[in-house]
Amino acid sequence: ETGVTQTPRHLVMGMTNKKSLKCEQHLGHNAMYWYKQSAKKPLELMFVYNFKEQTENNSVPSRFSPECPNSSHLFLHLHTLQPEDSALYLCASSRPGTGQDTEAFFGQGTRLTVV
Amino acid sequence: AQTVTQSQPEMSVQEAETVTLSCTYDTSESNYYLFWYKQPPSRQMILVIRQEAYKQQNATENRFSVNFQKAAKSFSLKISDSQLGDTAMYFCAFRSGGGADGLTFGKGTHLIIQP
Repeated sequence: ETGVTQTPRHLVMGMTNKKSLKCEQHLGHNAMYWYKQSAKKPLELMFVYNFKEQTENNSVPSRFSPECPNSSHLFLHLHTLQPEDSALYLCASSRPGTGQDTEAFFGQGTRLTVV
Repeated sequence: AQTVTQSQPEMSVQEAETVTLSCTYDTSESNYYLFWYKQPPSRQMILVIRQEAYKQQNATENRFSVNFQKAAKSFSLKISDSQLGDTAMYFCAFRSGGGADGLTFGKGTHLIIQP
């Protein structure tokens, strides 16, 4: 356990469904991240939140909508997804800044299948 | 933009042997961090070792050590006395030096430790 918890672990959804992924950390971190891990591709950074403010959006389609209500929780709202969006979605958190103890801690991921 | 390259898609060694995983990166920044993460079949991304670019001394964590060559932009991971539990995907990752920047990952190396 790294202190970052993601739910659900597995999700199957139709292309017309709306679902949400949840990430929670109790490490006292103020930066949270969503990554997408597809087969045969490097992990892709999707969104970055720093002190609840979105600081990075890597050209992610609008069918992915992040929400960060506080520094401990991060959501990824999904709607009208495509089969190519099937992947492992990883959440991470870190202490922002430089120096020691700023590495990212990851959750176990949500395996998403779009049918 | 930064890039991270891992040129070994898969490696296999016998238990107790030493293995070296290679990683090169490209950046115009002078202050940054480099990481090796391990992802076993459970999909949990676990930090193995980190290196601050401003430190000349190579990082070491028990059986894991790095060879950081800043001028050559090379960051290899050496695993000594390899164990069956070391079998996993290994990802090299780059992070800029400031704030809450996300990680840029390589494609990974699948390391298999044979009994």
